Amino acid sequence: KQEVTQIPAALSVPEGENLVLNCSFTDSAIYNLQWFRQDPGKGLTSLLLIQSSQREQTSGRLNASLDKSSGRSTLYIAASQPGDSATYLCAVRLETSGSRLTFGEGTQLTVNP
Amino acid sequence: DARVTQTPRHKVTEMGQEVTMRCQPILGHNTVFWYRQTMMQGLELLAYFRNRAPLDDSGMPKDRFSAEMPDATLATLKIQPSEPRDSAVYFCASGLGTRSNQPQHFGDGTRLSIL
Repeated sequence: KQEVTQIPAALSVPEGENLVLNCSFTDSAIYNLQWFRQDPGKGLTSLLLIQSSQREQTSGRLNASLDKSSGRSTLYIAASQPGDSATYLCAVRLETSGSRLTFGEGTQLTVNP
Repeated sequence: DARVTQTPRHKVTEMGQEVTMRCQPILGHNTVFWYRQTMMQGLELLAYFRNRAPLDDSGMPKDRFSAEMPDATLATLKIQPSEPRDSAVYFCASGLGTRSNQPQHFGDGTRLSIL
């Protein structure tokens, strides 16, 4: 059974700092990995999707990397802003699980002005 | 922007009552997912459909939960009878087919409280 772990569970940083969120998974036979953002009272917004054949994806100040062999992904946020405050979740889709996603428990990020 | 629409946004009812949650997927998406989110369990997949047919409902308690897609624009999740342990936020998401590397798109959820 695929297990997804996110570290840290919570993170508080001053505005402008660069930061890294970590995600690890136990089954490396993944089809893709997604990073989502969830604001309070809202659904999930997809930030980046990395296919199993890719090493990284970038969107603006966000960069996500994937190392399948070690079962790890990182989400790098450059020059953090108060508007980045949210819960960040990673989700893994296995090659053999159809469209099923397995989610981590999330990292709650607070960026202080 | 196309969005997944869920109704109602909030529902409070007494245990034993029937609860129906509705979802309108993004037009053109052929896969619809139902998730449940709680503090204790995080996000769990309950069921998903492709082209209106159920593909995987292994995460759903079948004695009281049922999911259907009457047509391509409507998915429903019913709980009957409801219990306090069903209190959670229920999300619907939609996306494209099995081999797609396109992300799933989530609605804003139905926050359900069973008293």
